[in-house]
Amino acid sequence: EAQVTQNPRYLITVTGKKLTVTCSQNMNHEYMSWYRQDPGLGLRQIYYSMNVEVTDKGDVPEGYKVSRKEKRNFPLILESPSPNQTSLYFCASSLSAAVNTEAFFGQGTRLTVV
Amino acid sequence: GENVEQHPSTLSVQEGDSAVIKCTYSDSASNYFPWYKQELGKRPQLIIDIRSNVGEKKDQRIAVTLNKTAKHFSLHITETQPEDSAVYFCAAASFSNTGNQFYFGTGTSLTVIP
Repeated sequence: EAQVTQNPRYLITVTGKKLTVTCSQNMNHEYMSWYRQDPGLGLRQIYYSMNVEVTDKGDVPEGYKVSRKEKRNFPLILESPSPNQTSLYFCASSLSAAVNTEAFFGQGTRLTVV
Repeated sequence: GENVEQHPSTLSVQEGDSAVIKCTYSDSASNYFPWYKQELGKRPQLIIDIRSNVGEKKDQRIAVTLNKTAKHFSLHITETQPEDSAVYFCAAASFSNTGNQFYFGTGTSLTVIP
């Protein structure tokens, strides 16, 4: 089954403790991205990747890191999480980076930083 | 960067009536405009998209119109049904040799009253 899988689905952590949210897609998609969703603010793009080893900042990259060592995986890293990073996070992938096509979203990761 | 505004933030309609959601964007380079539906507790899913070389696109009860001159695009849902109740997001994106960012609106919570 074609899908985008995020882990974990729920995470509660403490300020400053490094964490990684994994994202994996099995559709051989070129383009992958991370979003955070906050009430009243919609979806905001954190980072995106056009292909392996190619990553770029989105609208709200501060406090986040990403890597794209393989085509299927695009982990989101919070080196020192802070309470303002409490949010619902979505990973998404699209077939092509050159022509915009449908983005398939993962199930979401609800992160709470205390 | 791009700025996408979406109105209204909430919308209630009677079953069978039409619903219209409007978005404006600021960057004339944007050339791809998808609409996503997000049911409660679920991931966003694409319902329709339109590219800048097209003025209107229809898919059964859903249609999207685009006015590039005025930089606005709208989602039209006819003969609404209770299962259309969800949050709807518009987005604007443009591919260029410097990157490919997506900008989402803040969402419209649609309630269809039986």
